[in-house]
Amino acid sequence: ELKVEQNPLFLSMQEGKNYTIYCNYSTTSDRLYWYRQDPGKSLESLFVLLSNGAVKQEGRLMASLDTKARLSTLHITAAVHDLSATYFCATNQAGTALIFGKGTTLSVSS
Amino acid sequence: DTAVSQTPKYLVTQMGNDKSIKCEQNLGHDTMYWYKQDSKKFLKIMFSYNNKELIINETVPNRFSPKSPDKAHLNLHINSLELGDSAVYFCASSTQTATFSYNEQFFGPGTRLTVL
Repeated sequence: ELKVEQNPLFLSMQEGKNYTIYCNYSTTSDRLYWYRQDPGKSLESLFVLLSNGAVKQEGRLMASLDTKARLSTLHITAAVHDLSATYFCATNQAGTALIFGKGTTLSVSS
Repeated sequence: DTAVSQTPKYLVTQMGNDKSIKCEQNLGHDTMYWYKQDSKKFLKIMFSYNNKELIINETVPNRFSPKSPDKAHLNLHINSLELGDSAVYFCASSTQTATFSYNEQFFGPGTRLTVL
């Protein structure tokens, strides 16, 4: 059974600081997705990582995937308040539904 | 030009009632999903349809019945609503072709169901 674990589940950051969210999954998968959810809103796709060693960056967020370690990271550089949200990682195997981690709620304060 | 839409956005009802949530996608995808997000924000797959055929049916009470009249629509009907059904229900869609290396899923805005 495919399981996904994220940590930390809660992250309180100061503006300007860096931090990393970790996502581990339990069985072989070659794809990893990161989503952002603002309170009361839907899930917005941030990154799709499709192969070992994949790295993608968008603004202050950078995601990477190590399929051998079954690990993805979401690195936040110089956090700003606008990044406050809940971040989910998810994975699946071809043709199946996404299995989500429990989400990391990020709060950025000045 | 909404990609995945759901109606209603909010649904407040009494225990024991029957209600439906509708979902439509205009992305040309062939696979649609229903996910449930509980009060702790945990997201879990409920059902998935591919070309109108049920392909995933997780352990969900049989009070929940999905229906897909065509590839672009997936509805969720819930009978005899219970307090524990209160949650946000998300519809999603994707392509599902074996040759594709990924099938990114796009989510609707969600339906917040409150059972009193």
